[in-house]
Amino acid sequence: AQSVTQLDSQVPVFEEAPVELRCNYSSSVSVYLFWYVQYPNQGLQLLLKYLSGSTLVKGINGFEAEFNKSQTSFHLRKPSVHISDTAEYFCAVSKTSYDKVIFGPGTSLSVIP
Amino acid sequence: DAGVIQSPRHEVTEMGQEVTLRCKPISGHDYLFWYRQTMMRGLELLIYFNNNVPIDDSGMPEDRFSAKMPNASFSTLKIQPSEPRDSAVYFCASSFEGDPWGYTFGSGTRLTVV
Repeated sequence: AQSVTQLDSQVPVFEEAPVELRCNYSSSVSVYLFWYVQYPNQGLQLLLKYLSGSTLVKGINGFEAEFNKSQTSFHLRKPSVHISDTAEYFCAVSKTSYDKVIFGPGTSLSVIP
Repeated sequence: DAGVIQSPRHEVTEMGQEVTLRCKPISGHDYLFWYRQTMMRGLELLIYFNNNVPIDDSGMPEDRFSAKMPNASFSTLKIQPSEPRDSAVYFCASSFEGDPWGYTFGSGTRLTVV
């Protein structure tokens, strides 16, 4: 079975500061990893994904994530956050890129002016 | 492409009433997923279909919940009878085999059972 842990439920950060949202996963098979963002009262939008290849993945809105197989982690980073980045961020895992996806509990990012 | 379309966007109903949520996946997508989102439990996969056939319904909470996909362009999630604890945002998502981008989510239906 697969599972996802997001270590921080809430992350406050000042505008233009860097941020890292942590994600760890467990799986007995190779997995695909995703980060989704959910803005208030909206659906989920794909930020980035790791399927294979380079362990550093770049996504939309200046976000990037690094896959670390030995630590079973897939942390999300942004060097300088903006007010508009305030949202809920979900790490997710799947055995394929299109099949059943298991989501983590989410991290609420609040950017402080 | 209009994306995944869910209706209604908001639903308020009284306890004991039947509720039907609707989803139209993206044309050509052969996977369809129903998720429920609550503060307490986060995002839970309720059921998913492949080529209109239910593949995994282990997340359906109880017999009050049922889902159907009569054709490739339409799915329903029904709750009968509804209870206050069913209040949540219900999301539908779709994808296709080999889709490198993962799911496309709908905007969700916010259900309130009073």
